[in-house]
Amino acid sequence: KAGVTQTPRYLIKTRGQQVTLSCSPISGHRSVSWYQQTPGQGLQFLFEYFSETQRNKGNFPGRFSGRQFSNSRSEMNVSTLELGDSALYLCASSPRLADSSYEQYFGPGTRLTVT
Amino acid sequence: GENVEQHPSTLSVQEGDSAVIKCTYSDSASNYFPWYKQELGKRPQLIIDIRSNVGEKKDQRIAVTLNKTAKHFSLHITETQPEDSAVYFCAATYLSGGYQKVTFGTGTKLQVIP
Repeated sequence: KAGVTQTPRYLIKTRGQQVTLSCSPISGHRSVSWYQQTPGQGLQFLFEYFSETQRNKGNFPGRFSGRQFSNSRSEMNVSTLELGDSALYLCASSPRLADSSYEQYFGPGTRLTVT
Repeated sequence: GENVEQHPSTLSVQEGDSAVIKCTYSDSASNYFPWYKQELGKRPQLIIDIRSNVGEKKDQRIAVTLNKTAKHFSLHITETQPEDSAVYFCAATYLSGGYQKVTFGTGTKLQVIP
């Protein structure tokens, strides 16, 4: 099976702009979670989508949003970019077969730099 | 919300020695505890996990122990090798009724010295 893919891999934006990141999960996986990784804060949970519905959300401002399509692909949008949004954004997919089965497989990430 | 503390933040061991990384969590509802290994410039990869109904799990040179009463779990790597050098993250996950929330530890940078 192909792994989790993310596009683009690298992105440079300026403050105030918006950005959309894309994640394609492993075939058959219905859950996609998004994380922000920074050197100082580690891995921070943004949100999870399952069957096109947001199931849970981390402690991020409303500028961070996402959605999931019927084919399980997911997009994450960040509006009004700030310098502090510079980070590696990782998505992870999971089959989510049951509450007890939650192995996550990470994509390579999108490196976002805000100038 | 859940709070996960991970120690130490950096760890250097000689090749062949053992390495132990410890995590504590605050939410007793957490019931799934994965460990991820992230090599430099690469994505995190699941290396082992444990569920709340199990006290210990082993997979070759790595093992994880869970103490639900004390709310802590640990990763043990024996006979360390240079390729074990990476950042290791623990996580505590609450799964219930179709909802999940995962909290990661801040990571441990393990260096195995040949």
